[in-house]
Amino acid sequence: DIQMTQSPSSLSASIGDRVTITCRASQGIFDYLAWYQQKPGGVPNLLIYAASTLQSGVPSRFSGSGSGTDFTLTISSLQPEDVATYYCQNYDSDPWTFGQGTKVEIK
Amino acid sequence: EGQLVESGGGLVQPGGSLRLSCVASGFTSSNYWMSWVRQAPGKGLEWVANIRQDGNEKYDVDSVKGRFTISRDNAKNSLYLQMNSLRAEDTAVYYCASLKKRVMFGRDHWNFDLWGRGTLVTVSS
Repeated sequence: DIQMTQSPSSLSASIGDRVTITCRASQGIFDYLAWYQQKPGGVPNLLIYAASTLQSGVPSRFSGSGSGTDFTLTISSLQPEDVATYYCQNYDSDPWTFGQGTKVEIK
Repeated sequence: EGQLVESGGGLVQPGGSLRLSCVASGFTSSNYWMSWVRQAPGKGLEWVANIRQDGNEKYDVDSVKGRFTISRDNAKNSLYLQMNSLRAEDTAVYYCASLKKRVMFGRDHWNFDLWGRGTLVTVSS
C-alpha cells in the first residue's frame, strides 16, 4: 500500500499568512493526488485534483503542486473560513489512501 | 442539487453485523461509481470500498476484506454496505460518496464528489 505522510500535523497562522502543507507518498504516484478540506463538523470537500487542478468554485488562494512523491497545498492568504483539517489522497492504485490530515487554525 | 443520505448506523457488539444504506436523490446515481469512506472519532479519513455503476466491479481495503460487502440497487438509487464480524476498530462515521472521473491527457483522475452526512457505527460491548 502507498503511505501518504502529511506535515505538519497542525499549524497556527495569522490572517493573511501564506500557509503551506506538504504531502509525501511512499512511492511515486505521478499526479494522482487530490486535496480535501474538512471543516469542523462538516464533510470533506474537494479542493484540488490531479495534484494542481483547482476544483470549480474553490477560491483561487488555494493551489496545489508537485508530482511523483512530493506534493504541496498552499493557501496564499489565510482567511478565517479556512479553519479546517486538510487531507491529501492518493488515487494512483488500490487501495486509495489518505494522509493523516493537517489541522489549520488561526493564531 | 444532488444529495446522499446514509442510514443504518448504531451500536453493535463485537462480532455483530450491520447493514448501512445510502439513498441518492437529485441525480442519477446509477451513472456513477460509488464509495464508502469512514472516519474514526477524532481521526482521519479512510477509504473503504468502491463499486462500479453496474455493481460488477468492486474494490475494498484489506482491513475489511471478507467481512464487508458493498452493493447497490440502481432501481432504488441506493448503495449498501453489509458489515459482518464487526470489530472495535470499525467504529467510525461511515460516509457514502459518489465518484467523479475526469480524463486529462488520456489518464483517469478520480475524486470523491458528493458526500452524505454520514452515519455513526459504534462497535462496543
